[in-house]
Amino acid sequence: GQNIDQPTEMTATEGAIVQINCTYQTSGFNGLFWYQQHAGEAPTFLSYNVLDGLEEKGRFSSFLSRSKGYSYLLLKELQMKDSASYLCAVRDMRRNAGKSTFGDGTTLTVKP
Amino acid sequence: NAGVTQTPKFQVLKTGQSMTLQCAQDMNHEYMSWYRQDPGMGLRLIHYSVGAGITDQGEVPNGYNVSRSTTEDFPLRLLSAAPSQTSVYFCASSTTRGAAGYTFGSGTRLTVV
Repeated sequence: GQNIDQPTEMTATEGAIVQINCTYQTSGFNGLFWYQQHAGEAPTFLSYNVLDGLEEKGRFSSFLSRSKGYSYLLLKELQMKDSASYLCAVRDMRRNAGKSTFGDGTTLTVKP
Repeated sequence: NAGVTQTPKFQVLKTGQSMTLQCAQDMNHEYMSWYRQDPGMGLRLIHYSVGAGITDQGEVPNGYNVSRSTTEDFPLRLLSAAPSQTSVYFCASSTTRGAAGYTFGSGTRLTVV
């Protein structure tokens, strides 16, 4: 099975940097994903890590350490529109399935 | 290119009624899945499929059936609705290869009274 932990809520200031952590315990690991979900909307894919290290995509970066079962999502130059829930998900490729297990999400509030 | 189309967007059912939530994708994705999301919680996997004719149970399959007769369609059937099934349901699809994040449908908000 898979256990995924991330903080429930975070608050940050517009223009600042925030780091959202995710720890996981899993078997059959085949990638860690981050999704953004605005209130009342569907999640949208942000980033993917399968090897250790940092992946950068504009204002967003994601880091993975497989040996520690740890990832973080780094958001730079925060904007008000970044207020959303951020979901960490781990993909399991056992039985060639490709299914993902999600954490409960971190609700980020960006204040002026 | 419509992506993942999910219908209906809203539904109210009485306890004991049955219904089917529809999901269709036009991206030729092998993998399709159904999740439910309850307030303040993450997504929990109900059923998934890795291709036409192949389905499997996820974390919370009881009370739901699925079938995958084509690559494009993956309907979710509620057999006898219960208030505990009140939730937001999301259909998601992806390729099974590489850096493939899910594409989600817009969701169905289901209330069982």
